[in-house]
This record gives sequence, structure tokens and C-alpha cells, in this order.
Amino acid sequence: EMQLVESGGGLVQPGGSLRLSCVASGFNFDSYHMTWVRQAPGKGLEWVAEIGPNGRDDIYEPSVRDRFVVSRDNAKNSIYLEMKYLGADDTATYYCVRYNGFLESSGSYYYAMDVWGQGTTVSVSS
Amino acid sequence: IDLTQSPSSLSASIGDSVTITCRTSHDINIYLQWYHQRVGEPPRLLIFAASNLQTGVSSRFSGRGSGADFSLTINDVQPQDVGTYYCQQTQSSPPITFGQGTRLDLK
Repeated sequence: EMQLVESGGGLVQPGGSLRLSCVASGFNFDSYHMTWVRQAPGKGLEWVAEIGPNGRDDIYEPSVRDRFVVSRDNAKNSIYLEMKYLGADDTATYYCVRYNGFLESSGSYYYAMDVWGQGTTVSVSS
Repeated sequence: IDLTQSPSSLSASIGDSVTITCRTSHDINIYLQWYHQRVGEPPRLLIFAASNLQTGVSSRFSGRGSGADFSLTINDVQPQDVGTYYCQQTQSSPPITFGQGTRLDLK
């Protein structure tokens, strides 16, 4: 069974830092792009960051680009999200998600988020 | 790229057919996905590339569209279909963007 398990969430003061972790199992982890998606309480989904299979290609949502860093350790089947200068707007459940390429009938690949963790909750408050 | 879903919420009776639309601010070809999220659970992929059913998803779900106009239809609505539906574009990244969500409940 494919599984993603996040950890590291918690209560942090404004301006503080936090490191989220996600461990994958049940699939060849080092073959896939991985992403972080967050969801503020009662709100919709927001893509945060993506990292390529080799760990060298990372991209970010503009509001977090200068504060968050995504990384991975393929030997540990894990990805991480290092978050700094946290503010109230960062309060959310953070999901670790596999970003998979699907072959469509036209012969092209289209990417979608097909395996989701249960999420870890980050609360930024004094 | 902005995604606008309509309606924001809808109510259906068991057995009804419902359609949710997603309009994008730019042409995205068919780089459009649909997800379903039940309360307290992570989202689940339903449709990729506008009209392709994800493995294991009921054939009661279907997607169509291309360019900037897309729709998700649920036939024979069942109790387990309750929740929020999101469209997502992956044509232009960063950032990948989602619609604001459409909440479905039962009458």
C-alpha cells in the first residue's frame, strides 16, 4: 500500500521556524516528484512547493519562496519542508503529496497529485 | 492562472446528477484535474487531464472540457459523494493553482 506520513507540525510563535517531515512507503520514492500542499482552517487548497526526483529541482509558491525550503533524502524515502519567519497566514494543515505523471491517450504525460498523506497541522500564534 | 468554480455549493438528492464547472483565466489545454475531499480527510484524485478517470474511481464521475472551460459531472449521486470538489491546473507552474472549491451536500 502506498503511504505518506507527515510529522513535525505544532504550535509556533510568529517569526518562528518549523521543519516538517514526510516518509513514503509502498512505491519507488526516488522516481517521483513530490509536493507540499496546505489548507488553512476552513479554507481551500494551496500548493506550496515541489521537488524533483533528484532533489535538485525545487519550485515554490511566491509567498513562501524566500522563507521555505523543500528538500529530500531518497535514502530515507523522505521529504522535508523547512519553514522560517512563520506568520499567522501559514497556519494550516500541510499535506505531503506525490506528483505523478499520467500517460494520456494522446501520448502526452499529464501530472496530478495522486497519493496524499493525512497531513500535519501547523499553528502560528503567540 | 485563476480558477473559478461554480456553484460554490449545491445540494442534491440521492440518485441525482450534478455538474460543477471550472473556468480558468487562461487557456490551459487539458492540464486540469478534479479532486474530492471529505471532511477530515485529505483530497482524493478523481480526474486527470480533464477527462481521464483515475484508477479506482467510480464511473459515475466524468470530466470534460479543454482550453478554459471544464466540468465535472456526478451521475447517480451517493452519500459518499458528499464533500468539497476542487479543480486544479498544472499547465502553468509555479504556481500550481486550485479552484476555490464546490461543496456538495445531500438534501
